[in-house]
Amino acid sequence: DQQVKQNSPSLSVQEGRISILNCDYTNSMFDYFLWYKKYPAEGPTFLISISSIKDKNEDGRFTVFLNKSAKHLSLHIVPSQPGDSAVYFCAASGETSYDKVIFGPGTSLSVIP
Amino acid sequence: EAQVTQNPRYLITVTGKKLTVTCSQNMNHEYMSWYRQDPGLGLRQIYYSMNVEVTDKGDVPEGYKVSRKEKRNFPLILESPSPNQTSLYFCASSLVAGGTGETQYFGPGTRLLVL
Repeated sequence: DQQVKQNSPSLSVQEGRISILNCDYTNSMFDYFLWYKKYPAEGPTFLISISSIKDKNEDGRFTVFLNKSAKHLSLHIVPSQPGDSAVYFCAASGETSYDKVIFGPGTSLSVIP
Repeated sequence: EAQVTQNPRYLITVTGKKLTVTCSQNMNHEYMSWYRQDPGLGLRQIYYSMNVEVTDKGDVPEGYKVSRKEKRNFPLILESPSPNQTSLYFCASSLVAGGTGETQYFGPGTRLLVL
């Protein structure tokens, strides 16, 4: 059973609008959550993270929200740009350095000019 | 430039023919890992290494081997490839192990087709 779920395989958004990518997890022991972005023919690159002691983290146009009680996090991109078109992976890990990082299946975002 | 390199980028082989995918990082990272990406399944960890000569199984280790003789290199070995190992493979490294939110740096990927 997948511990990290991204239930939307794909998402299309108009340029300038908000993109909201969702992620749900089942393991309440997860302590850190990360988003990675992947362009075709490239490896994933780190985008933004949040620890479980916070409910929001911002970095420019990217904001991640964490709702621990619902075991849900979301990535907001405002405003969306065509260069944001990529696959976004949600990932989660525990509180020790020995905990593995578990990745979700990814959501493919298309930002339409 | 800080990077993780993988070779080859693309590989077509036949069932049973041993192959090695190389991975090298120039960031002096202790932790290295191999993942495979399959549609609908995301990135699944194959093997990881906490440091030189320290390796351990990830979630899908069957059919794979690794070694970590030097800090910078972490090759992935398929002794007898089978068609179900057709996948996109990524090597990754981080300063320390991947827990505690440590950022991983990924290589560009190796697309493997086993006929």
